[in-house]
Amino acid sequence: DIQMTQSPSSLSASVGDRVSLSCRASQNIGTSLSWYQQKPGKAPKLLIYTASRLQSGVPSRFSGSGSGTDFTLTITSLQPEDFAAYYCQQSYSAPAFGQGTRLEIK
Amino acid sequence: QVQLQESGPGLVKPSETLSLTCTVSGGSIIAYYWSWIRQPPGKGLEWIGHIHYSGKSNYNPSLKSRVTMSVDTSKNQFSLKLSSVTAADTAVYYCARNNFWSGSSGYALDVWGQGTTVTVSS
Repeated sequence: DIQMTQSPSSLSASVGDRVSLSCRASQNIGTSLSWYQQKPGKAPKLLIYTASRLQSGVPSRFSGSGSGTDFTLTITSLQPEDFAAYYCQQSYSAPAFGQGTRLEIK
Repeated sequence: QVQLQESGPGLVKPSETLSLTCTVSGGSIIAYYWSWIRQPPGKGLEWIGHIHYSGKSNYNPSLKSRVTMSVDTSKNQFSLKLSSVTAADTAVYYCARNNFWSGSSGYALDVWGQGTTVTVSS
């Protein structure tokens, strides 16, 4: 099974900051990686698919990069509504999520 | 636009079978794979499995022995059964659509239901 590891597990930042969240796969998954945002009590929301493609309607301050085993979600100029949990998911084989990164207001 | 709605009992007794249905509205169940994901209280997301409208399915190896998924194209619904439940199966259960994009690799879950809370307790 492919394991997904996200880091850090939590991150404190301020409005206007630029942050990068990491996701690492235990083996090569090409670009079969998605990123999701989840707010408390809500279903996850797709942000990025195929590692770097922005889902329709998602603000351009979100971007994804990487391939193989190392991936990054970058949020430029954090907005108040961006403080949430973020999950990566691989779909190269039996799908698996990372454990999540909680982005908190400093 | 496509919307998903989970339904089923919110309370299941230990050792019994959890049964949930996801109803697809605003679009057809045809031509897609459909997933079930769960989230225990305060924890992360766990993929349970997915099923194609044709009935072809794939399950999480850790749950495979207890999971059965089915699809009813006439009702635009797909379903999850999880047998022999324990307290560890207490979670919010989500259904979602697997989408593929031209020129892309893999798939992503682009439409989600609101989730339904299932508690396993006697």
